[in-house]
Amino acid sequence: DAGVIQSPRHEVTEMGQEVTLRCKPISGHNSLFWYRQTMMRGLELLIYFNNNVPIDDSGMPEDRFSAKMPNASFSTLKIQPSEPRDSAVYFCASRPQGEETQYFGPGTRLLVL
Amino acid sequence: AQSVTQLDSQVPVFEEAPVELRCNYSSSVSVYLFWYVQYPNQGLQLLLKYLSGSTLVKGINGFEAEFNKSQTSFHLRKPSVHISDTAEYFCAVSESGGYQKVTFGTGTKLQVIP
Repeated sequence: DAGVIQSPRHEVTEMGQEVTLRCKPISGHNSLFWYRQTMMRGLELLIYFNNNVPIDDSGMPEDRFSAKMPNASFSTLKIQPSEPRDSAVYFCASRPQGEETQYFGPGTRLLVL
Repeated sequence: AQSVTQLDSQVPVFEEAPVELRCNYSSSVSVYLFWYVQYPNQGLQLLLKYLSGSTLVKGINGFEAEFNKSQTSFHLRKPSVHISDTAEYFCAVSESGGYQKVTFGTGTKLQVIP
């Protein structure tokens, strides 16, 4: 079984550029989470989708961040414009209905110069 | 609101020695508790979870944890560690109702010394 797939695995960009991170959840999972991991703040929940609908976006830092889930097999997290403080590892996780365990992707390591 | 505290940011231990990684949580309602492990350059994967029932939970790779409601703790233990256990370990809590938003601790880096 394929796990959660994230792309790209690494992204280096310059301040002000648009960055798009992609996630393909495990087939059949109906919940999707985006997290950000930094040394200073640890693992933070950015947004949670259930059945493709955003349920909790209280963790989205500011208007520069946006997330979409156009269908059950794809989600994007976009940062526009990017800033150096956005440098972090971004994880996507999915969860099947009725289960408590989240399944994490390998992450996207973002560096904004 | 729920929270998780992992007091030890790093724990060095010799190979084949026992280890305990500490976790305390705070919540006003019933909770689910989890331990996840993160190997270098990888995502998190579940080690074990407590939902209800027996307070002693056994997980993968020989790890176990004990839920102590009075102490609001969920410490992770292994009787004999291996070099391959070197990783970062995250304790997490979610409320048993609602959409079960998970709050993660800051992580404990376990360094197994040969």
